[in-house]
Amino acid sequence: GAGVSQSPSNKVTEKGKDVELRCDPISGHTALYWYRQSLGQGLEFLIYFQGNSAPDKSGLPSDRFSAERTGGSVSTLTIQRTQQEDSAVYLCASSLGDRPIWGYTFGSGTRLTVV
Amino acid sequence: AQKITQTQPGMFVQEKEAVTLDCTYDTSDPSYGLFWYKQPSSGEMIFLIYQGSYDQQNATEGRYSLNFQKARKSANLVISASQLGDSAMYFCAMRETGNTPLVFGKGTRLSVIA
Repeated sequence: GAGVSQSPSNKVTEKGKDVELRCDPISGHTALYWYRQSLGQGLEFLIYFQGNSAPDKSGLPSDRFSAERTGGSVSTLTIQRTQQEDSAVYLCASSLGDRPIWGYTFGSGTRLTVV
Repeated sequence: AQKITQTQPGMFVQEKEAVTLDCTYDTSDPSYGLFWYKQPSSGEMIFLIYQGSYDQQNATEGRYSLNFQKARKSANLVISASQLGDSAMYFCAMRETGNTPLVFGKGTRLSVIA
């Protein structure tokens, strides 16, 4: 696609429920990244995919968070048993690869609210 | 240790004036890239400008320029002729070689005053 697409744009869920957030990167971008941005804060790195594999899962805050990527394209971030502290904007970005010159193109984010 | 430091939580600038947003970084990798992003209240992250560690000249993109001082490990963003639409959060970020993600600073909120 022309840009990075994320869905849903907004999600309100009850505490304890599972949620799935979807990211559709730019066609041909092999690298995909998930970040979390809490209100008024900077971007916290969660996980990174190169193709379908995730070389760096160091940023996932707990084992309730998982992510997968299939076909080198769409990625899903799953949060199980959501907690109120999971409320944030979840941003996805894609990049041509892992060379420093290749910056990211970000999606518009999914605003998650856990009530 | 923080890799990207933005020491100005908030800045004010008069419309049509220039403003400098500070960014210092920390890396031992000789090859890296430095980026600035703008995040307006709508939440989208907009790429502004890129500087490679081996680039000899400071990067410029329209009204944006990057004052790159490699020895001091600083990469300040200069916005000339500020406009009301420049009011936003500005993030400095760095990417090292290999499978490393962009690391962001905490951001600077810029407010342009008419």
